[in-house]
Amino acid sequence: QQQVKQSPQSLIVQKGGISIINCAYENTAFDYFPWYQQFPGKGPALLIAIRPDVSEKKEGRFTISFNKSAKQFSLHIMDSQPGDSATYFCAASKGGFNKFYFGSGTKLNVKP
Amino acid sequence: DADVTQTPRNRITKTGKRIMLECSQTKGHDRMYWYRQDPGLGLRLIYYSFDVKDINKGEISDGYSVSRQAQAKFSLSLESAIPNQTALYFCATSDFGANEQFFGPGTRLTVL
Repeated sequence: QQQVKQSPQSLIVQKGGISIINCAYENTAFDYFPWYQQFPGKGPALLIAIRPDVSEKKEGRFTISFNKSAKQFSLHIMDSQPGDSATYFCAASKGGFNKFYFGSGTKLNVKP
Repeated sequence: DADVTQTPRNRITKTGKRIMLECSQTKGHDRMYWYRQDPGLGLRLIYYSFDVKDINKGEISDGYSVSRQAQAKFSLSLESAIPNQTALYFCATSDFGANEQFFGPGTRLTVL
């Protein structure tokens, strides 16, 4: 059973639009929620992360929204650019053990 | 990330063969991980090691074994490869007390 469920599987957005990727989890012991970005031929790299004591975290054009009661979190990419085209993974971990449970990934294509 | 290297980058092998994937890191991190990535399934943890004397099974360890030869080296072995082990394999590292994991460039393994 997948611990973190991610949707959509793929996403096409026009340049300048907003990209939204959603994740849901069941285990309330999770206390760290990162998003990783992966370009073709490369390993994933940390994009942005949040802890459940805040409802939102913003870094540049990237924002995580976190809803603790619904056990959901999402990544918003504002003013999406073709260079944002990549696969995005959400993840969750608990207790500082660094054992991540990843979502299934979303392939984002930003059209010029 | 050039600080985490994986060899080989691509490998084609036959069913029943033994194969070893190697990971080296110059980041000085204690913690190392092996993941496999499959389309639609995201990244799944195979094994992880929090120091040289500590090896732990992940979600999908059956059919795999690992060896932590030194702080900087963590190898993944398939004793008798089978076609459903065809996947993209990633090594990752993290520092004690830090959440971010740093991924290598991946090894694409094909088992015929």
